[in-house]
Amino acid sequence: QVQLVQSGSELKKPGASVKVSCQASGYTFTTFAMNWVRQAPGQGPEWMGWINTNTGNPTYAQGLTGRFVFSLDTSVSTAFLQISSLKAEDTAVYYCARGNPADVWGKGTTVTVSS
Amino acid sequence: DIVMTQSPDSLAVSLGERATINCKSSQSVLYSSDNENYLAWYQQKPGQPPKLLIYWASTRESGVPDRFSGSGSGTDFTLTISSLQAEDVAVYYCHQYYRTPRTFGQGTKVEIK
Repeated sequence: QVQLVQSGSELKKPGASVKVSCQASGYTFTTFAMNWVRQAPGQGPEWMGWINTNTGNPTYAQGLTGRFVFSLDTSVSTAFLQISSLKAEDTAVYYCARGNPADVWGKGTTVTVSS
Repeated sequence: DIVMTQSPDSLAVSLGERATINCKSSQSVLYSSDNENYLAWYQQKPGQPPKLLIYWASTRESGVPDRFSGSGSGTDFTLTISSLQAEDVAVYYCHQYYRTPRTFGQGTKVEIK
């Protein structure tokens, strides 16, 4: 069946980096865009951007600084989200989600930033 | 950015009764070239990712019970749960996928009265 499997929870200190993975299965990876969505504790979803799985071209939400990078490894049908110089306010659940509108979601990766 | 505003923020409905959630976008999400409204509804339960219920404003996703329906066009949209069931307790979000950045409403929490 179609699914997106995300990497496990992360606990990081401020200033560190984290890389979240999202492995797709059950469909041809390059036929759907991949979105990244974050949800801070108690808040609604916030779209971070998307990556074209054919070209690898990312599009970031305007408020997102250069600390966030989307990438792919199409050989293993996997999308990545890397966040550098982590801050406490980056604490959230990070989801990958397929397509537009997003019809298949990963279960989410909790990233906690705390000293 | 297109701002999505839902109302109410929360509602309590008796089992078997109708629940209605409204969503207003700050600009039209109707694309004239294909006459489609780029508006979706999601359901989110605690500890779970959002689940797509409705897209193109009124098309039910496969497997979604027919008690869920969507309506509206342009800037005003409605999600209706015709007969609330216990498993429908959740937060519901409208979402526009017409322009980037894609945006969500603030959510409507549905509870049992």
